[in-house]
Amino acid sequence: EAQVTQNPRYLITVTGKKLTVTCSQNMNHEYMSWYRQDPGLGLRQIYYSMNVEVTDKGDVPEGYKVSRKEKRNFPLILESPSPNQTSLYFCASSQNPNSNQPQHFGDGTRLSIL
Amino acid sequence: AQSVTQLDSHVSVSEGTPVLLRCNYSSSYSPSLFWYVQHPNKGLQLLLKYTSAATLVKGINGFEAEFKKSETSFHLTKPSAHMSDAAEYFCVVSALYNFNKFYFGSGTKLNVKP
Repeated sequence: EAQVTQNPRYLITVTGKKLTVTCSQNMNHEYMSWYRQDPGLGLRQIYYSMNVEVTDKGDVPEGYKVSRKEKRNFPLILESPSPNQTSLYFCASSQNPNSNQPQHFGDGTRLSIL
Repeated sequence: AQSVTQLDSHVSVSEGTPVLLRCNYSSSYSPSLFWYVQHPNKGLQLLLKYTSAATLVKGINGFEAEFKKSETSFHLTKPSAHMSDAAEYFCVVSALYNFNKFYFGSGTKLNVKP
């Protein structure tokens, strides 16, 4: 089954404690992206990756890092989380957005930073 | 930067009546446009996409949207609402000069009354 898998689904942690949210896709997609969803703001793009070792900033990259060492994985790293990063996070992948291919989304990771 | 405005944060309809969810975008050219649906505690699922082939785009579950360049609008419609349509809907536009970046509207929550 084609899917995008995020882990963990829920996490409560404290300010400053480094965390990683993993994202894996099994569709051999070139493009992957991270979004955060906040009430009344829709989804905002954090980072995206066009292929292995190729990443770029979205609209809200501050406080986040990503890496793309393998095609299937695109982890989101919060080196020193702060309460304003409490949010619902989604990973997505696509064959090629330049061809208007749709993005496939994971089920989300709800992060609470205390 | 591109922007997307979803004109209604909440829409309530009765089952069997038409649905209209409004979306306007800011652009001086024809961008890539999408509608996604998000059911509670789930990721987003593509409903339909505009690829410049036709101004009236048909999607899944009976939804369709019409691209009107003169009005910079991409409103989502469905002739007859079903209870299962209750969800949050997002209008999405690609960035000018960069189809790897996306901007989401703030979302419209659709309530369907029996």
